[in-house]
Amino acid sequence: LAKTTQPISMDSYEGQEVNITCSHNNIATNDYITWYQQFPSQGPRFIIQGYKTKVTNEVASLFIPADRKSSTLSLPRVSLSDTAVYYCLVGANTDKLIFGTGTRLQVFP
Amino acid sequence: EPEVTQTPSHQVTQMGQEVILRCVPISNHLYFYWYRQILGQKVEFLVSFYNNEISEKSEIFDDQFSVERPDGSNFTLKIRSTKLEDSAMYFCASSVTGTGGLYEQFFGPGTRLTVL
Repeated sequence: LAKTTQPISMDSYEGQEVNITCSHNNIATNDYITWYQQFPSQGPRFIIQGYKTKVTNEVASLFIPADRKSSTLSLPRVSLSDTAVYYCLVGANTDKLIFGTGTRLQVFP
Repeated sequence: EPEVTQTPSHQVTQMGQEVILRCVPISNHLYFYWYRQILGQKVEFLVSFYNNEISEKSEIFDDQFSVERPDGSNFTLKIRSTKLEDSAMYFCASSVTGTGGLYEQFFGPGTRLTVL
C-alpha cells in the first residue's frame, strides 16, 4: 500500500476554497486515490475517488496530475459544517481501508 | 438513503466480560468490515468478511475477537474477554464490492465501548 503524506491541520474561513494536498510518491499502477471525511464521534464518509486527471462531484473536486504522485482535494466555499478530518487513501485492494492521521480542517466564521 | 446501523451506541463493561457489538449493513451489500478508533487516534482496520467467512484480518484481530453473520441482516463483533485497551469506538462498514474500480465503504455511526 502506498504511503500517503498530508498536512496535519489547516484553517480556513467560511466561503473560502480549501485545497488539501496529499503526497503518494509510491503509488502503484492499479491504485486509486480516495478521500474520506470524518466528523467527531462519527464514522468516516466517502467523499470522492479518482484514478487520474480531475474528478468532480456535488461535494468536492479531486485533481490528480499526470504522474499521480500527489492529489489535491478541493472543497469549494467551505462552511462551518465542513470542519472535520479529511483522509487521503491510496490502494487497489479494497478489502480494507488503511487510514492515516488525516488533515484536521477547522473552518472559522 | 440506506445506511449502516449499529447497536448499542455506547456499551460499558467490566474487564474480562464478553461483549457483542451489532451491526446491520446495507441490505444489498456483500462485504462487511469492522474498524476501531481509540480516542484521538487513527481509524484501524480489524477484519473484513465476505461470503460467510473472514477474508482478511489485522494483527489486532486476535483470538479474543470473532465475527459472525447469524442471519441475513446482522453482522456482529464479539470480544470474548475485554481488556482496558479494547476501549474504543468500533465502526462497522459495508460495501457492494470489495475489489478494484470505484468502491465506497459505508460506515455506521459506531459503538463506543468503555471497558472499566
